[in-house]
Amino acid sequence: GDSVTQMEGPVTLSEEAFLTINCTYTATGYPSLFWYVQYPGEGLQLLLKATKADDKGSNKGFEATYRKETTSFHLEKGSVQVSDSAVYFCALRPPWGSARQLTFGSGTQLTVLP
Amino acid sequence: NAGVTQTPKFQVLKTGQSMTLQCAQDMNHEYMSWYRQDPGMGLRLIHYSVGAGITDQGEVPNGYNVSRSTTEDFPLRLLSAAPSQTSVYFCASSYGGTGDYNEQFFGPGTRLTVL
Repeated sequence: GDSVTQMEGPVTLSEEAFLTINCTYTATGYPSLFWYVQYPGEGLQLLLKATKADDKGSNKGFEATYRKETTSFHLEKGSVQVSDSAVYFCALRPPWGSARQLTFGSGTQLTVLP
Repeated sequence: NAGVTQTPKFQVLKTGQSMTLQCAQDMNHEYMSWYRQDPGMGLRLIHYSVGAGITDQGEVPNGYNVSRSTTEDFPLRLLSAAPSQTSVYFCASSYGGTGDYNEQFFGPGTRLTVL
């Protein structure tokens, strides 16, 4: 079945550091790929998404590129802020799949220190 | 819009007790779902509903019941709580359908501890 593997956390960075959170997936065909963010005490929010190979999703300074050849969707940000401290989840959904078919990774806790 | 709301935010139960986690949304979404989030694991789907009167099981349904009498509300019932149900529970809703109409909106979660 489909699966998502994220880098182990927690990740601790200083403000303005470069961020990469690795995400690889196993799925048939061309799934849609997502990054969700969960701020402390809140529910998950969609951060960005990509629906086909070589697409780049971006939002709030975060980017991720859909790499079919490496089955990856790594999250990057050039300069993190304290306000980016959160848990980040990578997820996939089969092509034209429904919401119930979302498969989540285990999440990566990010802490940004001033 | 309030979005997706959940009550309570925190709950402590003793083994064998029952309770209902409440979830409501005001976006007229057809699709609603319940997830549990455990340390080191992603969210796992418990139950979902594609519309009022229609529910189905997800990946981990044992020990939980749901009903959907209105579009807005989707309560999750624990009939006899067990320590294995200690978790954070999230309710989510979406427009439904397939493809790009599926962005899910999540509630803030309920942290449940079963002693």
